[in-house]
Amino acid sequence: GAGVSQSPRYKVAKRGQDVALRCDPISGHVSLFWYQQALGQGPEFLTYFQNEAQLDKSGLPSDRFFAERPEGSVSTLKIQRTQQEDSAVYLCASSPIQGPTGELFFGEGSRLTVL
Amino acid sequence: SQQGEEDPQALSIQEGENATMNCSYKTSINNLQWYRQNSGRGLVHLILIRSNEREKHSGRLRVTLDTSKKSSSLLITASRAADTASYFCATDQAGTALIFGKGTTLSVSS
Repeated sequence: GAGVSQSPRYKVAKRGQDVALRCDPISGHVSLFWYQQALGQGPEFLTYFQNEAQLDKSGLPSDRFFAERPEGSVSTLKIQRTQQEDSAVYLCASSPIQGPTGELFFGEGSRLTVL
Repeated sequence: SQQGEEDPQALSIQEGENATMNCSYKTSINNLQWYRQNSGRGLVHLILIRSNEREKHSGRLRVTLDTSKKSSSLLITASRAADTASYFCATDQAGTALIFGKGTTLSVSS
């Protein structure tokens, strides 16, 4: 596709459920990022991949959060045993260059609501 | 944690006026970027300015960077209703991913 694609766009989960959020980056982009954006706030960094290697996961808030990019393209962010504080928009971004500081191309986000 | 802090938090102007928003950050950077986010959408990259640059232009956008004051400003000239959005600055430190501020919400009325 032409841009970064995320699915689902909206997800409602009951507290304690597991969720999986998918990101399809722009074809050929080597770097992939996940950010969490709470209402009225700026995006907060979660994790970064270069190809299939997860080079930085320092922003993941707890061990309930797990991300993977097994073939260096599509990535999945998994949240286990969701809590209400996990409610947020999860943004995926990709970049054509190696390294974490280039221009980012964002998807539309997946809005997670935990009841 | 969020390094950048935008000011003001909210700005309301009329079409045709200029809009200026500022960003302050805390540590040395390699580059600073500005992004726009329309309500309910993803972020869109506007402009990147490197630490050795002082000013950069792109269409109606003008960005300045003062590394001695650890601050940047984004000027949008001749604002349009379509410029209504939230604007974020994002900074990097060596080897880390971009850190975004809390944003300035711009409302342009016709």
